[in-house]
Amino acid sequence: DAKTTQPNSMESNEEEPVHLPCNHSTISGTDYIHWYRQLPSQGPEYVIHGLTSNVNNRMASLAIAEDRKSSTLILHRATLRDAAVYYCILTYNNAGNMLTFGGGTRLMVKP
Amino acid sequence: NAGVTQTPKFQVLKTGQSMTLQCAQDMNHNSMYWYRQDPGMGLRLIYYSASEGTTDKGEVPNGYNVSRLNKREFSLRLESAAPSQTSVYFCASTVLQFSSYEQYFGPGTRLTVT
Repeated sequence: DAKTTQPNSMESNEEEPVHLPCNHSTISGTDYIHWYRQLPSQGPEYVIHGLTSNVNNRMASLAIAEDRKSSTLILHRATLRDAAVYYCILTYNNAGNMLTFGGGTRLMVKP
Repeated sequence: NAGVTQTPKFQVLKTGQSMTLQCAQDMNHNSMYWYRQDPGMGLRLIYYSASEGTTDKGEVPNGYNVSRLNKREFSLRLESAAPSQTSVYFCASTVLQFSSYEQYFGPGTRLTVT
C-alpha cells in the first residue's frame, strides 16, 4: 500500500493562510488523494479529494504536484475552528474503499 | 437527515463482559465501516461491509464480530471485552462521488474496559 508522510504538527495565526504538506512518493496512477480532518472529540470529516488536477471547494483547496508525489492542503483563512488533526490518505477504487489513517498533522491556530 | 448515528455514546465494561455497538445511516449508502482510535493515534479499520449481505476483516478484527443487519445498520460486537479494547469506536459509511468515495463518520462510542 502506498504510504503518506505528514509533519506531526503545525502552527498558524488566525485569518492567515495555511499550507499543510503531504508526501506520497509511492503513489500509483489510480490512487486518489483524500484529506480528512478530525476536530477534538469528534469523528473525522471529509475535506477534499483529487486525482491529478488541483481542486477547490468551500472548505479548502488541494494542490497536487505534477508528478503526484506530493500534495498540499490549503486553508485560505484559518479560523480557530480549523484547529484539528488533518489526515492525508490515499484511496483505491477497490470494493472496500478502505481508508488507512496515519498520524496526521495537528494544526494549532493562534488568535 | 441524521447522517451516521451511533449508540451508546459512552460505555464502561468489566473484563469478560459482552456488548454490541450500534450504527445506523440514513443516506442510503452501500458501504459501512467500523474503526477504532486509540489515544493519540490515527483510526484503524476493524471490519467493513462493502454492500448489504457482505462483511470483511480490516486491519484489526481480532476480538470483534460484525453484523450487517440491513442496508441501514451495521453492528459491532465484543464477545468478551478486554482492557486492550479500550478505545473510541467510529462507524462510517460511504457514497460514490466523482469516482471516489467520501466517508461520513459518526460521533463515536467511547468504550472503557476495566
